Amino acid sequence: DTAVSQTPKYLVTQMGNDKSIKCEQNLGHDTMYWYKQDSKKFLKIMFSYNNKELIINETVPNRFSPKSPDKAHLNLHINSLELGDSAVYFCASSQNRGEKLFFGSGTQLSVL
Amino acid sequence: DQQVKQNSPSLSVQEGRISILNCDYTNSMFDYFLWYKKYPAEGPTFLISISSIKDKNEDGRFTVFLNKSAKHLSLHIVPSQPGDSAVYFCAASAPGTGNQFYFGTGTSLTVIP
Repeated sequence: DTAVSQTPKYLVTQMGNDKSIKCEQNLGHDTMYWYKQDSKKFLKIMFSYNNKELIINETVPNRFSPKSPDKAHLNLHINSLELGDSAVYFCASSQNRGEKLFFGSGTQLSVL
Repeated sequence: DQQVKQNSPSLSVQEGRISILNCDYTNSMFDYFLWYKKYPAEGPTFLISISSIKDKNEDGRFTVFLNKSAKHLSLHIVPSQPGDSAVYFCAASAPGTGNQFYFGTGTSLTVIP
């Protein structure tokens, strides 16, 4: 039973399209995150939600919009996709803020 | 500005020998450090952690050392096994920054049988 699951695993799309990545955790954690791993393998936080409330919003284009319908889910919607959005996106969760992270298996996004 | 750095992109070690992975940080406020292991096409998995009140933490074959004055931590794997071949990330967090974790760029470890 996967603790943090995200779908899809691979996403290939054209520039200008809108796409969503879904994430669910069954660990009962209060905090969820989206991280982006770029081509230089740098893992950088994008957003963090604690009990459905946005607590971290790094400098991310507003084409990226996270949505947390409940504390077990954190989805990422991306509008008007650009070539530079190509990366691996990881969802993660932690019991509380500042505690160790549990990651999903990642979504490889390729924008053509 | 990268606050956590892993300056060795790759490391090769013979099976049975010690693997030493290094990590440097610039923010003196970091007080909690983690090591993650990542296999291809999988998410990072937690390996071991250390808080700034300690200088060493051990878990089986894995030991993390923290040198606060040098702003340096290292992960020792003894003995190294082929299944340890993966990318290792260090991460650090500080209070007052939303407790977010800053990650290094990883070191790819290859353990040669």
